[in-house]
Amino acid sequence: QKEVEQNSGPLSVPEGAIASLNCTYSDRGSQSFFWYRQYSGKSPELIMSIYSNGDKEDGRFTAQLNKASQYVSLLIRDSQPSDSATYLCAVNGGNTNAGKSTFGDGTTLTVKP
Amino acid sequence: DTEVTQTPKHLVMGMTNKKSLKCEQHMGHRAMYWYKQKAKKPPELMFVYSYEKLSINESVPSRFSPECPNSSLLNLHLHALQPEDSALYLCASSHRDRGYEQYFGPGTRLTVT
Repeated sequence: QKEVEQNSGPLSVPEGAIASLNCTYSDRGSQSFFWYRQYSGKSPELIMSIYSNGDKEDGRFTAQLNKASQYVSLLIRDSQPSDSATYLCAVNGGNTNAGKSTFGDGTTLTVKP
Repeated sequence: DTEVTQTPKHLVMGMTNKKSLKCEQHMGHRAMYWYKQKAKKPPELMFVYSYEKLSINESVPSRFSPECPNSSLLNLHLHALQPEDSALYLCASSHRDRGYEQYFGPGTRLTVT
């Protein structure tokens, strides 16, 4: 079992729809959870951080965390073609190696006009 | 300012060359990272420096040698690389007070001939 697993892509949604990206993790001691967006040929860009159970909203993005289910998700509302990218879920470990993030393989999202 | 800079942007080197990659941040972050990323794969952690000390080495071959001269700078010295080392090399920084959310530089595209 991988430490961080993301729903396999690619994911394609029409413009204006909601895109839902999912991630599960295996380390119950994980403390911090992140979503990065990576455009083709570019470096990852942090778009959301979440540390406690529940929802966190930032503009069109909502991150959801459920530590009991070891599940993190990212919802993108009113998807735009500019949201087309690979989305990486990353999880920071517990007490040991607290500064180390483990990345999922990424989900590639395409938003069609 | 959430900028991490990396130089050079592109590097082509032969297998007998010695070169260095440079990374700089002025966000006061005390953790700095080197990642290697191949096409369509997530970033692969190589090294972590915490408070200028090497805290994680992910069993990276000795032809890669990291150095952290001060809290703002991170170098990666390259020597006798192999063609399979061709990749995008990413630097990132983070701080414990921000849950170790990482900010990435633009990367150095390395080609080994």
